[in-house]
Amino acid sequence: AQSVTQLGSHVSVSEGALVLLRCNYSSSVPPYLFWYVQYPNQGLQLLLKYTSAATLVKGINGFEAEFKKSETSFHLTKPSAHMSDAAEYFCAVSEGWAGFQKLVFGTGTRLLVSP
Amino acid sequence: DAGVIQSPRHEVTEMGQEVTLRCKPISGHDYLFWYRQTMMRGLELLIYFNNNVPIDDSGMPEDRFSAKMPNASFSTLKIQPSEPRDSAVYFCASSLGPESSYEQYFGPGTRLTVT
Repeated sequence: AQSVTQLGSHVSVSEGALVLLRCNYSSSVPPYLFWYVQYPNQGLQLLLKYTSAATLVKGINGFEAEFKKSETSFHLTKPSAHMSDAAEYFCAVSEGWAGFQKLVFGTGTRLLVSP
Repeated sequence: DAGVIQSPRHEVTEMGQEVTLRCKPISGHDYLFWYRQTMMRGLELLIYFNNNVPIDDSGMPEDRFSAKMPNASFSTLKIQPSEPRDSAVYFCASSLGPESSYEQYFGPGTRLTVT
């Protein structure tokens, strides 16, 4: 079965610094991959998704992620952090063998942004 | 569209009581998902429906939990009897399936506290 590993439960950056949130996946078939963001007391919102088209995916709020099959990674980046980026970020993989509709989520990474 | 609507947003109940959580998916979406989020276990898929039919309920923790989808615009998740360990945030999500690359749209969640 598919699985997702997010390295680092907390990541701290200064405002204006590069944001890098790591995600590695395990899948026996070409996966669909997603990054979601969760602000306090809210539901999850899709940032971006990879669906076997371009390997570099651009999302909302200046975020992007690169699918690297050789490294089984889908890391999320943003060149310059804003205070408003402080939230929890979840990487998810779809279970292609059972149909792509079922998502498996990582444990999440909390991004802290300091002034 | 108003997005996925969940009610109530907060629920506090005593152990042994019946709890019913409600969800209205985005109009036209034919997949509906129920998730539970806790600090210990993260985000877990409980059950999902396709065209109002339960497809996979392997994540439902035990017989105290049941879910129904009587029509395309309404679903319930019921816990009877409730226990303190059921305290969590419960999310409903909906999806168009392959037409949107299986992107899921989440509701704001119901925070359940069982005392």
